[in-house]
Amino acid sequence: TQLLEQSPQFLSIQEGENLTVYCNSSSVFSSLQWYRQEPGEGPVLLVTVVTGGEVKKLKRLTFQFGDARKDSSLHITAAQTGDTGLYLCAGYNFNKFYFGSGTKLNVKP
Amino acid sequence: DADVTQTPRNRITKTGKRIMLECSQTKGHDRMYWYRQDPGLGLRLIYYSFDVKDINKGEISDGYSVSRQAQAKFSLSLESAIPNQTALYFCATSDLQYGTHNEQFFGPGTRLTVL
Repeated sequence: TQLLEQSPQFLSIQEGENLTVYCNSSSVFSSLQWYRQEPGEGPVLLVTVVTGGEVKKLKRLTFQFGDARKDSSLHITAAQTGDTGLYLCAGYNFNKFYFGSGTKLNVKP
Repeated sequence: DADVTQTPRNRITKTGKRIMLECSQTKGHDRMYWYRQDPGLGLRLIYYSFDVKDINKGEISDGYSVSRQAQAKFSLSLESAIPNQTALYFCATSDLQYGTHNEQFFGPGTRLTVL
């Protein structure tokens, strides 16, 4: 099993604050994906990062893949209540995805 | 209409009963997956299939079986349900093509409770 550890597990912040979520592993992945999941729904893909050191931006969200392709981070600038949800990272290797345990984000108005 | 659908959305059953969860997709993808989600454990892969004749075990396949009836249909069975199989179950599809990275698309999930 190729483990992915996410931190923090829970995060409760005020609207307008910045935050960073981390996804770490001792395994190298050929790509890494970030998903957001809302209650009662399936995860929805936010981004895929493929190259070591790659940075991708999606509006206020910035995703980075570590140089060694073992870790990744998600940074949200000026969080909004609509960012509330469960954020999951998933590493891809050998035709399978390995998911982290998730970070539950609550953005308070 | 949703691209990946799951039925039922909720199910309560008793220990020892046989249960089937169904998944259908209209995305035309070859690859289909079944995951279970438990609080604090993320999603864990149960089975996956890359075409109608291909079935592979994931990390937690014990107590489960699957059937790929067609490219668009992938069902998960619990032959004799037990309480620790109470979880949220997700079906997903993907399609590895040039220029893509095997992005997965998830269904809305089935909440299964085994009493």
